Order: sequence, then structure tokens, then C-alpha cells
Amino acid sequence: AQSVAQPEDQVNVAEGNPLTVKCTYSVSGNPYLFWYVQYPNRGLQFLLKYITGDNLVKGSYGFEAEFNKSQTSFHLKKPSALVSDSALYFCAVRDNTGGFKTIFGAGTRLFVKA
Amino acid sequence: EAGVVQSPRYKIIEKKQPVAFWCNPISGHNTLYWYLQNLGQGPELLIRYENEEAVDDSQLPKDRFSAERLKGVDSTLKIQPAELGDSAVYLCASSNLAGGTDTQYFGPGTRLTVL
Repeated sequence: AQSVAQPEDQVNVAEGNPLTVKCTYSVSGNPYLFWYVQYPNRGLQFLLKYITGDNLVKGSYGFEAEFNKSQTSFHLKKPSALVSDSALYFCAVRDNTGGFKTIFGAGTRLFVKA
Repeated sequence: EAGVVQSPRYKIIEKKQPVAFWCNPISGHNTLYWYLQNLGQGPELLIRYENEEAVDDSQLPKDRFSAERLKGVDSTLKIQPAELGDSAVYLCASSNLAGGTDTQYFGPGTRLTVL
């Protein structure tokens, strides 16, 4: 069965510092991996995805994520955090071997302090 | 290009009353999803449509929840009767699975409060 874990409920970082939001996953086949961001009273917004190819994926708003197959991880990163990055971040995984169900993590709240 | 549209944005009802949510997906997206999001949690799939066909409704509580997607475009999710535990945000999303990668685009959600 598919699963995704976001081990940190909250990440705190100072503006200008690098940030990392962690995600690990479990699928039976090869994964499709996604990151979404949610601002208050808004739906989820797509940030980036890994399908195949280069392990480092670049996305919207300066975010990137690194796929690590041996560690089954897909951590979200940004070199320099902005206060406006403060939001709820969700990692999601889909098994691409036949099923189309996407499983979302519980979310990590990012707080960037000025 | 317009995004996924949902209405209403907020709904407050008393328990045992019926309620309905409406979703208009992105034009050309053949796949439509309804998710339930409880406070502090990630979205959980209720039902997925491919065009008019409900291809995954395994997590939909069919004793009180129903959904339809007539003509393969707009969709309506209904709860009858509502219970206190149904208070949550109901998200609609759409994607174009023909593209193969299932990037889902979400609407703003409907926040339901059952009193």
C-alpha cells in the first residue's frame, strides 16, 4: 500500500536562511511525487513534481526538491526563505504502476520569521 | 485560464439537514476529484471521476454521501443527512490524466460547519 510521511508538524526558519521540509514515501512500484502548498482559506497549489529523470526538480517560487530512491525521500528545499513562504506544505505520492490514487501527507507548517 | 471553481465557499447547517457542493473543473480536464480535508490533515479522496464515470468511490460513505458528474463536466457532491462529524473542508480538483502525470489543480474548497 502507498503511504507518505511528513515527520515534522512545523518547521521554523529565519528569513534569508535555507529551508527544508521533509517527506518520505512508500510505494510498490515507481513513484510519482508531488509537492503542494496551501495558504489560509485557499485550495492546494501545485509546486513541483518528480516523474523520472534528474533527481533534482525545480518548481514554482524558487522551490526545488530532491528525489532520493535509496532513502525513499523527496525533501522540499529553498535556498533563501521569504516570510511569504509561510504556509502549509503537502507531499503526495502516486504509484505509477497502474493505480491512480494519490496519497497526501498530513502536512508541514512552515513558519518564516522576519 | 480559469481555475477550478467551487461554490459555496462556506456553508453552515444544522445536523440532519441536506447540503450540496458544486464544482466546475478546468476546461478540458477529464478527471475530477472530491476530497475531504479535516483540520490539520491532508486531503483524503472521496471519489474520482473519469469523464462521467466514477472510477474510484471506495472511500465515499454511500449511506449519506452521493455525487454525480452529468455530461462529464460539472460535479455535485451531496450529503443527506449531515452529521456533526462531517464538518470539514470539501475540496474539488481536476486533472488531465491523458497527459499521464496526474498533476491535480484544486479549487478553494467549501468549508462546511454542521451544528
